[in-house]
Amino acid sequence: QSALTQPASVSGSPGQSITISCTGTSNDVGTYNYVSWYQQHPGKAPKLMIYEVSNRPSGVPDRFSGSKSGNTASLTISGLQAEDEADYYCSSYTIRSTDVFGTGTKVTVL
Amino acid sequence: QVPLVESGGGLVKPGGSLRLSCAASGITFRDYYMTWIRQAPGKGLEWVSYISSSGNTIYYADSVKGRFTISRDNAKNSLYLQMNSLRVEDSAVYYCARQNSLGYTSASRHWGQGTLVTVSS
Repeated sequence: QSALTQPASVSGSPGQSITISCTGTSNDVGTYNYVSWYQQHPGKAPKLMIYEVSNRPSGVPDRFSGSKSGNTASLTISGLQAEDEADYYCSSYTIRSTDVFGTGTKVTVL
Repeated sequence: QVPLVESGGGLVKPGGSLRLSCAASGITFRDYYMTWIRQAPGKGLEWVSYISSSGNTIYYADSVKGRFTISRDNAKNSLYLQMNSLRVEDSAVYYCARQNSLGYTSASRHWGQGTLVTVSS
């Protein structure tokens, strides 16, 4: 199972909006709505930010939103803040009943 | 309070074995699927395996199938990963994680702090 494709890096100024893409295939993202997004700060465990494409766990700011179209899922961060600087990973369920993660995106706040 | 605490990592030679443990506290364990996820130094996340609440449903990544065995003891609120025939490429921080909701939705809500496994001669 190949990793889902994410851009290596995305940057934006405070207050701006950025979008991270996550491209899979009809074997994963395109078929299932079990797409999640994780935020990981250096040296820390990942944190669930979005589950089932567009749902936010309690405690996650509504600046974070998710969507999906075809084989590509997206995470949008609106009103970018300094503390949003981190690595972000998408993940998806697959037709093999396994999971696959994305390649990861480093978000830089300029 | 950290809800999940992994242990058992360390330095092992290629071909060797290790058993990782993950102890849950402060969160419900027995009703939820559990997952092992690893991250090689400086690299991305890699899904390793998951196990259903009852232990009857188990899946592995191709990279570890036949070498790793996931198990759980609900009476002890504990998850395990038996790793045999270890390879250099298995070196990583290993995280255990609990699903966000009942059933499996590929969403890990609670994570441990990770335990480092280093495979080297």
